[in-house]
Amino acid sequence: DVKVTQSSRYLVKRTGEKVFLECVQDMDHENMFWYRQDPGLGLRLIYFSYDVKMKEKGDIPEGYSVSREKKERFSLILESASTNQTSMYLCASSFGGSSRIQYFGPGTRLLVL
Amino acid sequence: GESVGLHLPTLSVQEGDNSIINCAYSNSASDYFIWYKQESGKGPQFIIDIRSNMDKRQGQRVTVLLNKTVKHLSLQIAATQPGDSAVYFCAEGTGNQFYFGTGTSLTVIP
Repeated sequence: DVKVTQSSRYLVKRTGEKVFLECVQDMDHENMFWYRQDPGLGLRLIYFSYDVKMKEKGDIPEGYSVSREKKERFSLILESASTNQTSMYLCASSFGGSSRIQYFGPGTRLLVL
Repeated sequence: GESVGLHLPTLSVQEGDNSIINCAYSNSASDYFIWYKQESGKGPQFIIDIRSNMDKRQGQRVTVLLNKTVKHLSLQIAATQPGDSAVYFCAEGTGNQFYFGTGTSLTVIP
């Protein structure tokens, strides 16, 4: 079974703090994704990566950055957290090529005070 | 960005009945579609997928129908069980990037 893990289930941070969200997948997937999920808005893509050290902006990259130094790990960074970044953050991975199913982690619920 | 919408935000069904969850998509170039189930406090879980060269695909108790003419996707769940209560999302995609709907909340009444 594919396993995608996220470093924290719940996180509380203060405005202006730097926040790191970590995601690890154990299936040697090429592609990794970060989404945020908000009521009424569904899942929105923040960033994705097709390979190590490679990143592409999604639909809402402002205020976020990412890092992929190893194939299995994809980090989302909030350089200076703001209250409007309070959300559920979901990491996903997919094998790539003709196998496009994205497998999701359990999510990190972030509250920025 | 793309617009993926669901006709009904909530759906309640009696245990044992069949459920139908609908989804409209907007990009006629989308060639791959996935249905996900998300239980409370968990990440989305893959249910079934379908490529644009197909009209129907069946899994265990689930069937996905694709109507490209009207850009409509549906998920049918047979003999709905209490464990089927969750939010269901459709996703449309080209390449490896997907756009997700806002979800339909399915409640199964015992």
